[in-house]
Amino acid sequence: ETGVTQSPTHLIKTRGQQVTLRCSSQSGHNTVSWYQQALGQGPQFIFQYYREEENGRGNFPPRFSGLQFPNYSSELNVNALELDDSSLYLCASSLAWVSSYNEQFFGPGTRLTVL
Amino acid sequence: KNEVEQSPQNLTAQEGEFITINCSYSVGISALHWLQQHPGGGIVSLFMLSSGKKKHGRLIATINIQEKHSSLHITASHPRDSAVYICAVGAAGNKLTFGGGTRVLVKP
Repeated sequence: ETGVTQSPTHLIKTRGQQVTLRCSSQSGHNTVSWYQQALGQGPQFIFQYYREEENGRGNFPPRFSGLQFPNYSSELNVNALELDDSSLYLCASSLAWVSSYNEQFFGPGTRLTVL
Repeated sequence: KNEVEQSPQNLTAQEGEFITINCSYSVGISALHWLQQHPGGGIVSLFMLSSGKKKHGRLIATINIQEKHSSLHITASHPRDSAVYICAVGAAGNKLTFGGGTRVLVKP
């Protein structure tokens, strides 16, 4: 059983560009959540995907979008990058059931710097 | 007011000291996580608990559901325990809400 992986590890973009971050979920997990962590703060929930559908969204604008694929890997896309988007982006996978809560397993993160 | 509050924000201890980090939350939860984050960003889950107490090595986590409060204790602290410790609460739908983290520095 492999853990959660993310790519790339680090990324530098300029304002206005678009970026795609990738996450490979733990084997068998059908749910992935994405979080943004600004320097010195706790992570903030961006959105969650369950079986390829968005299943909840935090307070982030539409230029933050995602995809989840049949193999449960996922992408986070950010358009029209702004300086404040510079953060660590974390994904976490879990096996979700409607009536219960299950532990989430975190990837190592992608550090995005917007210049 | 944040839904998850941690205290203290920063903590410095001498090697061997007993460390306590507190977490209070204001929402209904299914479970509470204690997470460790080292410089470089990767998050490691230390505990997930919904009642009582759990122990792993020198780490102990407790939760009081009625008081909506949890504590993480580190016994016989060591410089390698230096990290940011984050409390996060989970509810139905598997969404986590995080505290701001406690930065721990253990000096030799």
